[in-house]
Amino acid sequence: QKEVEQDPGPLSVPEGAIVSLNCTYSNSAFQYFMWYRQYSRKGPELLMYTYSSGNKEDGRFTAQVDKSSKYISLFIRDSQPSDSATYLCAMRRGNDYKLSFGAGTTVTVRA
Amino acid sequence: DAGVIQSPRHEVTEMGQEVTLRCKPISGHNSLFWYRQTMMRGLELLIYFNNNVPIDDSGMPEDRFSAKMPNASFSTLKIQPSEPRDSAVYFCASGLPSNYGYTFGSGTRLTVV
Repeated sequence: QKEVEQDPGPLSVPEGAIVSLNCTYSNSAFQYFMWYRQYSRKGPELLMYTYSSGNKEDGRFTAQVDKSSKYISLFIRDSQPSDSATYLCAMRRGNDYKLSFGAGTTVTVRA
Repeated sequence: DAGVIQSPRHEVTEMGQEVTLRCKPISGHNSLFWYRQTMMRGLELLIYFNNNVPIDDSGMPEDRFSAKMPNASFSTLKIQPSEPRDSAVYFCASGLPSNYGYTFGSGTRLTVV
């Protein structure tokens, strides 16, 4: 079993829809949680990060962490065609440099 | 800030040839990582440098792979001899220990034929 599981998708939604992305993990020591966005033929770009449990909002993006369920989510409101990309979750322990990545979910927002 | 700079962007080489990938991290970042990305295995950490010193090379697949960081502004990943199964996108990333995440370069797409 992988340490981080992520629905591979792909996900196709109409413009303006809410996109919901999820990851589950098995290592209860993870404390830092990140979402990366990767456009085609580009490197991953850090989108959002959270520490421990709770919610964080940044514009149209909301990240949620539920450590009790070992479950993290990313919501994209009012999705735009420019949001079409692969989204990867990542997480690490407190004093660890290693990031554990999910496999990534490919999202297409149709105009 | 120019970000993490990698070269070349694309590399096509024949099996058995030596391949050298290059990376310039963001100035001031003292952590540097080399990752490999494939459809089958996703993102895999190959090696981690801290203050130019290799800390963890457990992800380097075989002795054919080697990495160096001669100074704070330059790192190389070398594959010798290359094999078709080395075909992948290789990313360099840099950061600070206090960062939640790291900044990735645009990657080198390697094809070994």
